Amino acid sequence: QSALTQPRSVSGSPGQSVTLSCIGSSSDVGYYNYVSWYQQHPGKAPKPIIYDVNKRPSGVPDRFSGSKSGNTASLTISGLQAEDEADYYCCSYVGSYTWVFGGGTKVTVL
Amino acid sequence: QVQLQESGPRVVRPSETLSLTCSVSGGSFSSYYWSWIRQPPGKGLEWIANIYFSGSTNYNPSLKSRLTISLDTSRTQFSLKLRSVTAADTAVYYCARGLYVDRAVIKDNYFDPWGQGTLVTVSS
Repeated sequence: QSALTQPRSVSGSPGQSVTLSCIGSSSDVGYYNYVSWYQQHPGKAPKPIIYDVNKRPSGVPDRFSGSKSGNTASLTISGLQAEDEADYYCCSYVGSYTWVFGGGTKVTVL
Repeated sequence: QVQLQESGPRVVRPSETLSLTCSVSGGSFSSYYWSWIRQPPGKGLEWIANIYFSGSTNYNPSLKSRLTISLDTSRTQFSLKLRSVTAADTAVYYCARGLYVDRAVIKDNYFDPWGQGTLVTVSS
């Protein structure tokens, strides 16, 4: 059960789009359509923004979208806003009611 | 809406047992998996363990030998015990609600809501 691989940091200017990657394996991301993404601001608990690869929980803006290709999941933030500056974590179901997280990506709004 | 709150000692001595409890209020305890997730200072999230409302348990293989998760449905609480702790176990520990499973229905395969988290420091 190895951690998913995420880039340490991504940056963009307000209004731009950024895409975060989450690389797993054929045993987790590539096998299950159960990838979720979490946004975490400093000192706060994570908040889900995507589940089941591309679904948004109620209240999450449609600027956030998710996708998957093979063993790689992606989160795209369109129309980047100042409040999107945060850490983002991907998570995949890996079977037998267990999960694995990625190492996290820090998004900086320039 | 459902709210979760972690409680337990903030400091644990090396080699001793870390014990935390998560109290659940405002919603049903049934048919959900209830998880513990931790985050070392400045680092990423790590899923630790979960328990189904019926009492069945699942553990992170890397921690399994030191973990016990248990449930008190009458008090809508679930607890975590991590034995033989070291400084590497210093982290913010979160409890969270996860997957819903009821007969043939499987949904909500993500963690929501979360507790506010509690920092546990392993130190002598």
